[in-house]
Amino acid sequence: DADVTQTPRNRITKTGKRIMLECSQTKGHDRMYWYRQDPGLGLRLIYYSFDVKDINKGEISDGYSVSRQAQAKFSLSLESAIPNQTALYFCATKTGTDGYNEQFFGPGTRLTVL
Amino acid sequence: QKEVEQNSGPLSVPEGAIASLNCTYSDRGSQSFFWYRQYSGKSPELIMSIYSNGDKEDGRFTAQLNKASQYVSLLIRDSQPSDSATYLCAVNIHFNKFYFGSGTKLNVKP
Repeated sequence: DADVTQTPRNRITKTGKRIMLECSQTKGHDRMYWYRQDPGLGLRLIYYSFDVKDINKGEISDGYSVSRQAQAKFSLSLESAIPNQTALYFCATKTGTDGYNEQFFGPGTRLTVL
Repeated sequence: QKEVEQNSGPLSVPEGAIASLNCTYSDRGSQSFFWYRQYSGKSPELIMSIYSNGDKEDGRFTAQLNKASQYVSLLIRDSQPSDSATYLCAVNIHFNKFYFGSGTKLNVKP
C-alpha cells in the first residue's frame, strides 16, 4: 500500500461548489503539506502543518482552508470553487524538525472546476 | 525575484550524453537542496539531496552545490530515454518550508 494517499484522484466540479480533498499517510510523519501545480509554475505551497494544533498559510492560501484531523490526515477544502483553481494538487509529508529530510508526495488529485 | 529559478527548457540531449540541469536560489540562508524527477501527471520523486558545498554522486547522478554563487546543479551521465521527465529543484529556506522551481523538462533522444 502507498505511504501517502489522496482521495479523490480526479474530480470535476462546478463553480461555486464546496470541494474537499483528503490526504492520509502511514509514514508517521508529523509535517504535512498541500501544494498545487499549474503548467509552467512548479509547485506552490497552499498550507502546511507541523502537528494537529499547528497550521500555517503558504504562498497561495486565499480561497482554501485546511483541517488536520489527526497526525495522519490533512484535508484541503475549497469553500466555493472557481475555474482558476483548476490544477493538480499534491499532498506531501516530511519527518524531522529541521530541513534536512525530503518530502514524500502523494499521487495527486486532478481537479477541474467548470 | 522568485526564490528558486530554473530554465524551463526543454533540454534535449542524445542518449548516452551528459545532461546538465541548473537552479539558482535567492536566500543565502537556505539549508538544503533537493532534486525531484516528475513524469507527466505523476508525483515528484526524490533523485538527490545535497547540503554542503561541492559534489555528491549517486550512480549516474551528481548534484553540485555552490552556496557562494547560490547555485545548485544536477548532472545526469549516460542519459537514457527513461530519464525524460521534468526535473524540479527544491530549496529549504525556512526550516520545514520548501520552495520549488518551475522545473526543467528534459528530453533524451534515442
